[in-house]
Amino acid sequence: GEDVEQSLFLSVREGDSSVINCTYTDSSSTYLYWYKQEPGAGLQLLTYIFSNMDMKQDQRLTVLLNKKDKHLSLRIADTQTGDSAIYFCAEKRNFNKFYFGSGTKLNVKP
Amino acid sequence: DAMVIQNPRYQVTQFGKPVTLSCSQTLNHNVMYWYQQKSSQAPKLLFHYYDKDFNNEADTPDNFQSRRPNTSFCFLDIRSPGLGDAAMYLCATSRTGQPYEQYFGPGTRLTVT
Repeated sequence: GEDVEQSLFLSVREGDSSVINCTYTDSSSTYLYWYKQEPGAGLQLLTYIFSNMDMKQDQRLTVLLNKKDKHLSLRIADTQTGDSAIYFCAEKRNFNKFYFGSGTKLNVKP
Repeated sequence: DAMVIQNPRYQVTQFGKPVTLSCSQTLNHNVMYWYQQKSSQAPKLLFHYYDKDFNNEADTPDNFQSRRPNTSFCFLDIRSPGLGDAAMYLCATSRTGQPYEQYFGPGTRLTVT
């Protein structure tokens, strides 16, 4: 189908790791992204991965890409209450077009 | 700070009354996008400008139009808003070239009464 899919909710305890999953649709997508949206704010780019990579690490964030299954994940180590937000994955298809998942709401409990 | 600005943040319009949402950017990016985001749904691309070239998504209703008079500004015009057009409207910019990072404004929440 055309939809980028994510689970709607994730709840973790402070200090635990969070893993947010995404299934995208276009095997020819060149870049895949993770965005964070806090209440009342726009989407903020957290990290991205080029399609020829399997993994990318950036401080507490680890992105894993499985091209065969068109599966993308974002792992947040040592999750903090400030990480509570909605996380969107997105894929870049041809001609400057970006398609987003419906977002995963991460709730971090103290 | 360089940024993407959307005005107003909240807009109320009446059913059928034309409304215009504004976006400006100080990033000097050549690509600008408009997305519609309904509650608990994915941001949906409506159209984008690559410089002055307008690119419409196939399923964007004719009720939605856009103007980009210069690099810095882009407008979303809704000619006859219906109740189903109530949503958050997000403007974003990017420069061409890898990694095609998009910068988003805070959005305009449109209410149709």
